[in-house]
Amino acid sequence: AQRVTQPEKLLSVFKGAPVELKCNYSYSGSPELFWYVQYSRQRLQLLLRHISRESIKGFTADLNKGETSFHLKKPFAQEEDSAMYYCALRPPGTASKLTFGTGTRLQVTL
Amino acid sequence: DSGVTQTPKHLITATGQRVTLRCSPRSGDLSVYWYQQSLDQGLQFLIQYYNGEERAKGNILERFSAQQFPDLHSELNLSSLELGDSALYFCASSSRAGGSGTLHFGNGTRLTVT
Repeated sequence: AQRVTQPEKLLSVFKGAPVELKCNYSYSGSPELFWYVQYSRQRLQLLLRHISRESIKGFTADLNKGETSFHLKKPFAQEEDSAMYYCALRPPGTASKLTFGTGTRLQVTL
Repeated sequence: DSGVTQTPKHLITATGQRVTLRCSPRSGDLSVYWYQQSLDQGLQFLIQYYNGEERAKGNILERFSAQQFPDLHSELNLSSLELGDSALYFCASSSRAGGSGTLHFGNGTRLTVT
């Protein structure tokens, strides 16, 4: 069975500092990995997906199959990045059932 | 707003009761998913419907059931409620049953069982 682990419940950083939100997964294959974000009083929304290899709002995430990780990174944190971040996994070729991690709250302070 | 709509926003009820949570998917989306979010366990997948038919099942209790109607809205029924059922229940929709459809989430229904 697949599992997504986000070891940090809360990550607090200063504005301008680098950010890395950790995500590890267990799945014996090549899953699709996603990061979803939930800003205060807003709905959960897709931030980025590994197959797109894109940078959204300055965030990037690289899939490391050797370490089974998909850490989310940003070189310089902004106040507006404060939110709840969820890593999610979906096995390929299945109905779009996402398995989510427990989430990490990012707090960016001045 | 043609996004995913969930009603009610908040629901407080007593143990043993039964409630129905409603979800209207994004316009054009055929798939509806239900997730339960609790403090300890994050987002747990409950069930998925595609165009009226059950497509995938997760950790959904037997006391819980769901359906998707011809107009594509979905209802999640929770019965014989227990204190531990208190959680945020999210609905999400996507345009496809599988493949690469992105999930679009509603604002959730906060259920409190007292």
